[in-house]
Amino acid sequence: DVKVTQSSRYLVKRTGEKVFLECVQDMDHENMFWYRQDPGLGLRLIYFSYDVKMKEKGDIPEGYSVSREKKERFSLILESASTNQTSMYLCASRSFGTGQDEAFFGQGTRLTVV
Amino acid sequence: GENVEQHPSTLSVQEGDSAVIKCTYSDSASNYFPWYKQELGKRPQLIIDIRSNVGEKKDQRIAVTLNKTAKHFSLHITETQPEDSAVYFCAASNNNAGNMLTFGGGTRLMVKP
Repeated sequence: DVKVTQSSRYLVKRTGEKVFLECVQDMDHENMFWYRQDPGLGLRLIYFSYDVKMKEKGDIPEGYSVSREKKERFSLILESASTNQTSMYLCASRSFGTGQDEAFFGQGTRLTVV
Repeated sequence: GENVEQHPSTLSVQEGDSAVIKCTYSDSASNYFPWYKQELGKRPQLIIDIRSNVGEKKDQRIAVTLNKTAKHFSLHITETQPEDSAVYFCAASNNNAGNMLTFGGGTRLMVKP
């Protein structure tokens, strides 16, 4: 059974705090993603990683950074949390070049910044 | 980069009717088009996908069609049931270059019993 696990289901942080959202996958996938989900706006890509230490900006990278030191782990960092970053964050992973194209999602982290 | 637009944003149908959700994409290099279903409080899960070398694919009550020339693809659900109520997302990807997956804005489907 494939698994993508996000470290927290719910988080409440204060404005200005540095926030880490962790995601781990056990499928040896090359690609990992961080999306933000807001009502009416769908799944917006924040950052994408196609290999260890490699990353690409998505559609809304401002205010975020990422880290991928190991293949199985992809971290999203909010350098200085703001109230407009209150949202649901979804991590996903996907293989590359194997023909198995399905992306698998984590359970989501609902972040509230107060 | 790729831009995916999805319509309608909400869709209400009577049980047993058909539902159609449409998406357009901008990057002609995209070659993989999945559809995900997200039930309330759950993570999105793949329900069907299509590759650019195929025009249509069916799986029981769901089907997807692709028009590469017009750069649009659609999800068709026949004989809808209350358990089909969910948010549906289309997506596009170029699996030959980087594998970035771009999603549409989602459609909330409500099936009334």
